[in-house]
Amino acid sequence: DSGVTQTPKHLITATGQRVTLRCSPRSGDLSVYWYQQSLDQGLQFLIQYYNGEERAKGNILERFSAQQFPDLHSELNLSSLELGDSALYFCASSVGQTNTEAFFGQGTRLTVV
Amino acid sequence: DAKTTQPPSMDCAEGRAANLPCNHSTISGNEYVYWYRQIHSQGPQYIIHGLKNNETNEMASLIITEDRKSSTLILPHATLRDTAVYYCIVRPYSGGYQKVTFGTGTKLQVIP
Repeated sequence: DSGVTQTPKHLITATGQRVTLRCSPRSGDLSVYWYQQSLDQGLQFLIQYYNGEERAKGNILERFSAQQFPDLHSELNLSSLELGDSALYFCASSVGQTNTEAFFGQGTRLTVV
Repeated sequence: DAKTTQPPSMDCAEGRAANLPCNHSTISGNEYVYWYRQIHSQGPQYIIHGLKNNETNEMASLIITEDRKSSTLILPHATLRDTAVYYCIVRPYSGGYQKVTFGTGTKLQVIP
């Protein structure tokens, strides 16, 4: 158990819909990262938050957005869903920005039908 | 940021040492080498990291060449539970993970 909690574990929804994925980082971790992993692909960095502020953006679509709340949990919002958005979505957290390892949650498997 | 190159797959007999290579020829002086693994579709798990000295922990050993252009992750006695995709990444000391590229890694199959 990494200490990072993601909910829900599985999500099935229809095209055009909107979903919210939730991530609770390890206690004390200020950085939260979101990644997308499509079938047999590597992890694609989407976005990072640090202590409530957006710190970096990767290849995140405009239909996707995220935020980190004062209690440091984070949510990834995916809207106008398309079949190609079906993937595993992982959240990771780390203490800060320097030489620390990241701890990953178990992911949310999103299936768009 | 440096990128890494890993073989797409490897096999290892159970109980033998698994040696997973990684090439990072463009690594900068302030970049560390990290290894993670992903078992089936679970979240990646941190294994070990190092700068230039060899490192060992309860999971594995990391050997970094003197010129730091490549490294090898060693699982000393592979078990079936070590079957996973292993990712080698590099990241700067003072940077986060936002610029890290997790490629497709090496799929290690441990054979009974």
